[in-house]
Amino acid sequence: SQQGEEDPQALSIQEGENATMNCSYKTSINNLQWYRQNSGRGLVHLILIRSNEREKHSGRLRVTLDTSKKSSSLLITASRAADTASYFCATAPGAAGNKLTFGGGTRVLVKP
Amino acid sequence: GAGVSQSPSNKVTEKGKDVELRCDPISGHTALYWYRQSLGQGLEFLIYFQGNSAPDKSGLPSDRFSAERTGGSVSTLTIQRTQQEDSAVYLCASSLEMTAYGYTFGSGTRLTVV
Repeated sequence: SQQGEEDPQALSIQEGENATMNCSYKTSINNLQWYRQNSGRGLVHLILIRSNEREKHSGRLRVTLDTSKKSSSLLITASRAADTASYFCATAPGAAGNKLTFGGGTRVLVKP
Repeated sequence: GAGVSQSPSNKVTEKGKDVELRCDPISGHTALYWYRQSLGQGLEFLIYFQGNSAPDKSGLPSDRFSAERTGGSVSTLTIQRTQQEDSAVYLCASSLEMTAYGYTFGSGTRLTVV
């Protein structure tokens, strides 16, 4: 199974609402990253949170990390139609890690 | 360059033919990664290169897959004797230093084997 697994798999909201998605992982990590993918092509890096951090903000994005529960959440506030995309979490291993492991993603639809 | 460049953007090939996919990373990025993504799925790691170290090939699904990185820059992923299950989007990414920083992805090559 994948290291990072997102929940829910799909999310549909109205413009202006908040969107929350979760990521769970199994092994220790050095950091956890969130990416956005539009139209099934290249991913865009959104935010990185290190294992010793609990919360991080970037614009309308808020990421939390709970290493005791091995979980992270991504909150998008005041969503816009342009936020429609798939969102992936990716974990960097805590040991001599060298590659990210991606989850299956959450597909978010923001309706105007 | 300004971003990670991949070519071709789309490739349709007949089953049994060989294909080469190219990735031109951001100048100065020492790490380069190949992933593939089947329709509606997550990313599957294939191979990564870091500087002059031996590449990590642990994700290559079979010996029909190989990759090289010349001069620490451009990388080519080769798939020999393509099969229909090889159909996917092949994504290349580069970064400054392994996983300490975020990856910059290219737009991918959509491979269709018919």
